[in-house]
Amino acid sequence: AQTVTQSQPEMSVQEAETVTLSCTYDTSESDYYLFWYKQPPSRQMILVIRQEAYKQQNATENRFSVNFQKAAKSFSLKISDSQLGDAAMYFCAHYGGATNKLIFGTGTLLAVQP
Amino acid sequence: GAVVSQHPSWVICKSGTSVKIECRSLDFQATTMFWYRQFPKQSLMLMATSNEGSKATYEQGVEKDKFLINHASLTLSTLTVTSAHPEDSSFYICSARGGGGPREAFFGQGTRLTVV
Repeated sequence: AQTVTQSQPEMSVQEAETVTLSCTYDTSESDYYLFWYKQPPSRQMILVIRQEAYKQQNATENRFSVNFQKAAKSFSLKISDSQLGDAAMYFCAHYGGATNKLIFGTGTLLAVQP
Repeated sequence: GAVVSQHPSWVICKSGTSVKIECRSLDFQATTMFWYRQFPKQSLMLMATSNEGSKATYEQGVEKDKFLINHASLTLSTLTVTSAHPEDSSFYICSARGGGGPREAFFGQGTRLTVV
C-alpha cells in the first residue's frame, strides 16, 4: 500500500521569502508520479507541480520547484518569492500506475505574512 | 488545464433520502475517476476509483451499497449517497484523469452535502 506523510501541519512565511514544505511517501510501485496540489479557501484543488518518478531531474514551475530524493522517498516543495496568493492548504499526492490510485497526504496549511 | 464540472455544489437533504452527485469531464476523456470525502481542515480521503465501463473499486471501510458509483461513459461519473444520514454530511470531491503517462488528475469544485 502507498502512504503519503506531511509532517508540517502549518507553516508561515514572509512575503517575498522562500519556504519549503516537506513530504515523504512509501510505495511498492515502480511506476508512480508525485504531485503537489494547492487548495485555497474556495476548496478547488489546483495542481502546482508534478514529478515523474523515473525522471532524476527535479521539476520546476516558475516560483515552485521540488527536491525529489527517490531513494529517501522524499518530495519537498520549495516556494520562492512567496506571494499573498500562495496562502492555502498544500497537499502532496502519489499516483501509482499499477494500483491506479491517487492518495493524498494530510496537508500543510501555509500562511503568508505581509 | 482541463475542466471537470461537479454538480451540485451544495445540497441539503432529509435523512433517509438519496442524493446523486454528478462529475463531468468537459474537454477530455476521463478513463479514471476518483471520489473523495473531505472533512473540515482534513485531507482528501479516497473513497473509490472507477474506470469507464467497469465496477468501481472501493477503499477499505467504504460501504459500496451506501455510496453507489457509476462511470457509464468517458465523461460522466456519478456518486449516489443512498439512505443518507447526518453522519454522511461532508464535502465530496470528484477527480478525473485521462489515460496513460504522468497526466495529472483534474478536480471538480466539490459538493457540500448536509443531511438534516
